[in-house]
Amino acid sequence: GAVVSQHPSRVICKSGTSVKIECRSLDFQATTMFWYRQFPKQSLMLMATSNEGSKATYEQGVEKDKFLINHASLTLSTLTVTSAHPEDSSFYICSATGLAGGVSTDTQYFGPGTRLTVL
Amino acid sequence: EDQVTQSPEALRLQEGESSSLNCSYTVSGLRGLFWYRQDPGKGPEFLFTLYSAGEEKEKERLKATLTKKESFLHITAPKPEDSATYLCAVHRSGSARQLTFGSGTQLTVLP
Repeated sequence: GAVVSQHPSRVICKSGTSVKIECRSLDFQATTMFWYRQFPKQSLMLMATSNEGSKATYEQGVEKDKFLINHASLTLSTLTVTSAHPEDSSFYICSATGLAGGVSTDTQYFGPGTRLTVL
Repeated sequence: EDQVTQSPEALRLQEGESSSLNCSYTVSGLRGLFWYRQDPGKGPEFLFTLYSAGEEKEKERLKATLTKKESFLHITAPKPEDSATYLCAVHRSGSARQLTFGSGTQLTVLP
C-alpha cells in the first residue's frame, strides 16, 4: 500500500517559536495533500488542501498566516506553525492522494501524525 | 452540507463476539465512502473504499457494506488486536478529494 511519513513524530517548543512539520509520500506521487488536526477523543478536522505547485486552500477559520503550507514537490509537503502558542498544541496529521503505480487514486493515505506541545 | 454520523460512540465486545458498526451519511453525490482504523497516537490506517450501494468488501475479520444511506462495518469473531477507533468518511463528487469524517466508534475487544 501507499506509505506516507511525517517528521518529527513529536515536538515540544516554547511559546513564540515556529515549528515545521514534514509530510512525505514514499512510494507514490502525491498530487494532493491534506493537513488535519485532531484533539483528544475527537475526529479529524481538515485544515487545508494543497496541490503540488499551487497555493494551499484553507478551511474556514484556519489562519493561513499562522499555518503556512508548502507543497513544492510531488513527494513533500510542509506545515509550519508560526509563533506557536499553547492553544496550538494538538496532533497534526497529513494525508496524500495521487498517482500510485500510474493509477490515480481518491484514497487518502495518512501519515503517522505529529504531536505538538507548546509550552 | 455533508453529514456523517457513526454509532455507537463506543463498543465493548468479548473476544469472539461479532457485531456491527454503523455509519449514516447525507451527501449530495457520493463519490466514495471510506473506512479507516485509528490506533491511539497514530494516523488513520486505510481499510476499505465503497463506491456504490450493494457493494461489499472484506479483509480478514472485517466486512464493509454500503446502502444509499448508510454503511456497516461487520466484525466477525473479533480479537483484542482489533481494538481501535474506526472512522467512516465520505467523499462528495466535485469536492477535490476532500473527506468528511464521522466522529468514530471506539471499539474495545476484551480477552
